[in-house]
Order: sequence, then structure tokens, then C-alpha cells
Amino acid sequence: DQQVKQNSPSLSVQEGRISILNCDYTNSMFDYFLWYKKYPAEGPTFLISISSIKDKNEDGRFTVFLNKSAKHLSLHIVPSQPGDSAVYFCAARTGGGADGLTFGKGTHLIIQP
Amino acid sequence: DGGITQSPKYLFRKEGQNVTLSCEQNLNHDAMYWYRQDPGQGLRLIYYSQIVNDFQKGDIAEGYSVSREKKESFPLTVTSAQKNPTAFYLCASSERNGGAYEQYFGPGTRLTVT
Repeated sequence: DQQVKQNSPSLSVQEGRISILNCDYTNSMFDYFLWYKKYPAEGPTFLISISSIKDKNEDGRFTVFLNKSAKHLSLHIVPSQPGDSAVYFCAARTGGGADGLTFGKGTHLIIQP
Repeated sequence: DGGITQSPKYLFRKEGQNVTLSCEQNLNHDAMYWYRQDPGQGLRLIYYSQIVNDFQKGDIAEGYSVSREKKESFPLTVTSAQKNPTAFYLCASSERNGGAYEQYFGPGTRLTVT
């Protein structure tokens, strides 16, 4: 039973345009959501997060939107750059402390020149 | 220079042997985690520890064991009971109190068992 779903295994976007990565979840107990970026054979790098009490969080070129009623979040990257090509993982946790994260399967973002 | 180190980067073992993966952090984080990643899959939680001398099973703990004798160290042993041990193993750490608990990852160890 996959609680965090990233339904697009890959996404191709032209350099300079907006990249939108989507994530859906089923567990209504999740209270904190995170996005990670990962290159092959390396550990994931934390990008941006959002608490369930907010609907938007922005950090430079990265914005995360949360729609609790739809159990959906999205990561927007504007403008997309070649270095953004990587696998992006959506992750979520339930409340109560430093528990482990539940990850989606990832979306491979390819930025075309 | 604060961070998480995992060694070695690549590890090869014969079937039936136990193997221990190292994870060290100097971020002064209380909590530490082990995940595994298989091709085309997300990360799955094996074990985590919120404080020294205490740890909890994650979603796929069978065939693995851990110890947390020091705050900085959280070694993972892959035992011969683990049916599919070949994978990419990732260690992470996070603060435990007052923060948003973002987890920071090490570079990973690729274990191949033949």
C-alpha cells in the first residue's frame, strides 16, 4: 500500500520554463512534507518542505504547494536550469517527533537545452 | 565541516555472510535513520533511532540489525537472513527537538551480495 505516490516516472522540460512535479498521498495523518533531489549513486539532498498548516512555501526558484483537501502537493521550479536534471522524491511524515519518512518512488526530471 | 559519512562506497559480499555498514555524523543530531533504495523505487525505512541506546524498526526491518551506542554512530548489520540484500543503503540524521526534522543524508553504500 503506497502512501506517497508520484505518478510520473519522468518529466522533460525546456530550459527556462517551469517544471511542475506532482505528489499525492493517502495518509491523512501526514503533517509535514518534504522534497528531495537525488543524483545517481549519491544521497538525496533536501530541497524544501511544508507543514500541513500552510498551503505554500517558497525558497528561491522552488515553491511547494499543498492542497490538503485533495491530498496533493506539487513542486514548482522556475526557471528550470540544466543542473535541475535529477530524480525528485516527495516524502512525508506523521507527527510526534523525529520519525522516519515515507517516500514516493521519484520523478526523473530532464531539462532540455 | 559537518556532515554524514558512510563507508565504504561499494561493498561486495558472498551470500550467507553478515556485513556491517558504517554511518557517522558530526552534526550533533539526536536522530539517525537507515533506508534502502532499489532500482526504480523510493527509499524505504529500515530502522531509526531517536536517541542513544534506543531504536525502532521501520517498514522493512527483517534481516537487519542496528546499534546506537554513541550519538555520532549508527551502524547497520545486514544479516544472512535478509533475502534480497543487494541494494543502495542510505543513512540520514535529523534534529529531534524544536525543529522541522528535515533529514540529511550521507552519500550511500552500494552493497552487492553474490
